[in-house]
Amino acid sequence: DIQMTQSPSSLTASVGDRVTITCRASQSINTYLNWYQLKPGKAPKVLIYTASTLQRGVPSRFRGSGSGTDFTLTVTGLQPEDFALYYCQQSDSIPYTFGQGTKLEIK
Amino acid sequence: QVQLQESGPGLVRPSETLSLTCTVSGASIGSNYWSWIRQPPGKGLEWLAYIYNSGGTNYNPSLKSRVTISVDMSKNQFSLKLDSVSAADTAVYFCARVVIEGYNDFFDYWGQGTLVTVSS
Repeated sequence: DIQMTQSPSSLTASVGDRVTITCRASQSINTYLNWYQLKPGKAPKVLIYTASTLQRGVPSRFRGSGSGTDFTLTVTGLQPEDFALYYCQQSDSIPYTFGQGTKLEIK
Repeated sequence: QVQLQESGPGLVRPSETLSLTCTVSGASIGSNYWSWIRQPPGKGLEWLAYIYNSGGTNYNPSLKSRVTISVDMSKNQFSLKLDSVSAADTAVYFCARVVIEGYNDFFDYWGQGTLVTVSS
């Protein structure tokens, strides 16, 4: 299985800040990398697919980049609704695997 | 708008079978890929299985011997069965639609999730 390592595991920031979450794959996954946002009691939401494509309806303050083994999710100008859990997911090979998650908390 | 809703028992006894159903609206079960994903308390997400073309399947090898995914076209639903459960199977279970975008697969619509606790 491809292991996905996310960092940091938690992050504290303020409204208006810029934050970056990284995701590293244990082997090259080309650009087959997706990012999700999870909030308690709500349906998870895909933010970015194929490493850098913004899902329809997702604000442009979310940006994904990377290829091969190293990827980043950047949020520029944090809004109150952005404080949540974030996960990366690879689809290069079955089984699909996720990072362990990053909890973004408000300062 | 595509919507998914999980349903099933919230409590399952050890060694028994966990059974969940996902009811889909706004999309045809037969024309898409559908998946189950779970999140144990305090842990990350784990992909379990997907089903496509009303019958083709793919499973996570770590659970393959215990998991079955199936579809009911008449009800626009798909289901998960997990045999011989233990406390380690306690988790929030999500159903989701899989999008195949070239060589990349991702989950574009999810249910809200349902907590299943394994306990006697």
